[in-house]
Amino acid sequence: NAGVTQTPKFRILKIGQSMTLQCTQDMNHNYMYWYRQDPGMGLKLIYYSVGAGITDKGEVPNGYNVSRSTTEDFPLRLELAAPSQTSVYFCASSPIADTQYFGPGTRLTVL
Amino acid sequence: EDQVTQSPEALRLQEGESSSLNCSYTVSGLRGLFWYRQDPGKGPEFLFTLYSAGEEKEKERLKATLTKKESFLHITAPKPEDSATYLCAVIRKGGSEKLVFGKGTKLTVNP
Repeated sequence: NAGVTQTPKFRILKIGQSMTLQCTQDMNHNYMYWYRQDPGMGLKLIYYSVGAGITDKGEVPNGYNVSRSTTEDFPLRLELAAPSQTSVYFCASSPIADTQYFGPGTRLTVL
Repeated sequence: EDQVTQSPEALRLQEGESSSLNCSYTVSGLRGLFWYRQDPGKGPEFLFTLYSAGEEKEKERLKATLTKKESFLHITAPKPEDSATYLCAVIRKGGSEKLVFGKGTKLTVNP
């Protein structure tokens, strides 16, 4: 049981480039979440999904997009990367709206 | 708006020196309070969920307690391997799917 996996682990982007952060879970959880974590700022919710085909905005959605075509996968798309998107990104999943289980994170730098 | 405040921001202890971390919350109807441990460069690792005032949960040297306004994470006779950032989060009753996180307490245990 791998739990929640994220790829890549690290990425450097130039301003204006786009990329997709991948997140996969093998626990058959309905709920999935994307967070960003900046130093000293805690975890901020970007987007979440309560099931395949259903997504909703979190606290800081601007500059990001998501899709959820399967239960297992919840990719996060960055369009036109900006330095303000430099952060560590965590994906999480949960069987119900309760305890969440996190992936190892993707460290993104935009230069 | 739901809020979670953790104190202190940082705590240094000597090995064996017991102490407590605080998590104060403001939420309109608490459904659950969560404690996570986060090691540098890794995703948050789930520790405990507490659902009602008076509830306590233990795991090795850690004990979490809950009142109507705050939660404490008691660390008894800590060891250097307990060094990490401890995160607290809450989820509201009434259909919310989202956790609200505090900024964390960075614990350092010196040998």
